[in-house]
Amino acid sequence: DTAVSQTPKYLVTQMGNDKSIKCEQNLGHDTMYWYKQDSKKFLKIMFSYNNKELIINETVPNRFSPKSPDKAHLNLHINSLELGDSAVYFCASTKTGVYEQYFGPGTRLTVT
Amino acid sequence: GIQVEQSPPDLILQEGANSTLRCNFSDSVNNLQWFHQNPWGQLINLFYIPSGTKQNGRLSATTVATERYSLLYISSSQTTDSGVYFCVANAGGTSYGKLTFGQGTILTVHP
Repeated sequence: DTAVSQTPKYLVTQMGNDKSIKCEQNLGHDTMYWYKQDSKKFLKIMFSYNNKELIINETVPNRFSPKSPDKAHLNLHINSLELGDSAVYFCASTKTGVYEQYFGPGTRLTVT
Repeated sequence: GIQVEQSPPDLILQEGANSTLRCNFSDSVNNLQWFHQNPWGQLINLFYIPSGTKQNGRLSATTVATERYSLLYISSSQTTDSGVYFCVANAGGTSYGKLTFGQGTILTVHP
């Protein structure tokens, strides 16, 4: 009965590889987000999708490409991984007209 | 964009003590949330409180929207309260606006 789930929980990979992180929510929400938490614990939004349409795209390298196949899923694909991509990535969701956001458990990405 | 500032940056308590964490924000908000990030990295939603006062067990929160601040009270602290507390706000006109995180308050509760 997990509300917002992410897979995988941990991801260790080498520089130059391509990897994906998946997010699913079963709350009936229509807006989903990706946030990045750096090594200093600072959290910042990367992307947001509303009804499968990209509505927020912060200054993120174009190696990061979000994809929303439906309202319940938002995946994050990262090409040509770099050391600086190491971080914890959080998915979140909300419903239009309701402001509270619900967060997933996070995916810890380590690039070696 | 909106600025969110939290204080203090660090707080060390003895078990059983009470504490108050503060969050100042630079604009009127339609979303103000408090999260606890536990030592395992999970973000736990404590309160959704753009205005008013809420209580949940030993924790309570008050947001004075007109003065642009929010307070999180922790009473009778326990070691399990340790972690990082984030104040998060959205000042956008739409419900799918981005949240801006404060820098967090690192709380350590000693037995």
